Amino acid sequence: GEDVEQSLFLSVREGDSSVINCTYTDSSSTYLYWYKQEPGAGLQLLTYIFSNMDMKQDQRLTVLLNKKDKHLSLRIADTQTGDSAIYFCAEIYTGTASKLTFGTGTRLQVTL
Amino acid sequence: EAGVTQFPSHSVIEKGQTVTLRCDPISGHDNLYWYRRVMGKEIKFLLHFVKESKQDESGMPNNRFLAERTGGTYSTLKVQPAELEDSGVYFCASSQYGGANEQFFGPGTRLTVL
Repeated sequence: GEDVEQSLFLSVREGDSSVINCTYTDSSSTYLYWYKQEPGAGLQLLTYIFSNMDMKQDQRLTVLLNKKDKHLSLRIADTQTGDSAIYFCAEIYTGTASKLTFGTGTRLQVTL
Repeated sequence: EAGVTQFPSHSVIEKGQTVTLRCDPISGHDNLYWYRRVMGKEIKFLLHFVKESKQDESGMPNNRFLAERTGGTYSTLKVQPAELEDSGVYFCASSQYGGANEQFFGPGTRLTVL
């Protein structure tokens, strides 16, 4: 079965880089996602990576995928107070088509 | 274009009562999903509709939960009777296509069962 794990909390200072980590168990994952949830809002898709890629960069966001260790990370450069939110990693794997499997979420706190 | 909307935003009920949650997907999206986050844990899949048909209901916890999508537009999720462990945030999402197509999420309904 599938299982996705994340650390619960991360605190960084404004301007520093944030790295949020995620491990997953299903090696047949096809896409891996990062979602952001701000207070009172729904989940917003930030970025995704296809399982045959190692890295994807999108402006301040860099996603790294280590398939051997089943480890996914999201790096946010120049972290701003507006980046404070809960970040969820999620996967879809070939056996379950449309069903997203989420991690527990990492609460990112950005301090001045 | 309006996003996914959910109603109510927050519901507080007593154990044994019935609650109905509603989700309005993005217009034209055939795929509608329900997820739940309980007690700060991971967000778990409940079920997936394609139009009015249940494509996958493997995540529904038990027969106290009933989801419907009559006419293939909005969906309701009824919990009857509610138990304490049903408390959590219920998210709805929709997508135009299935598979790995992006799912757009609503703000969620926070359900508190006392």
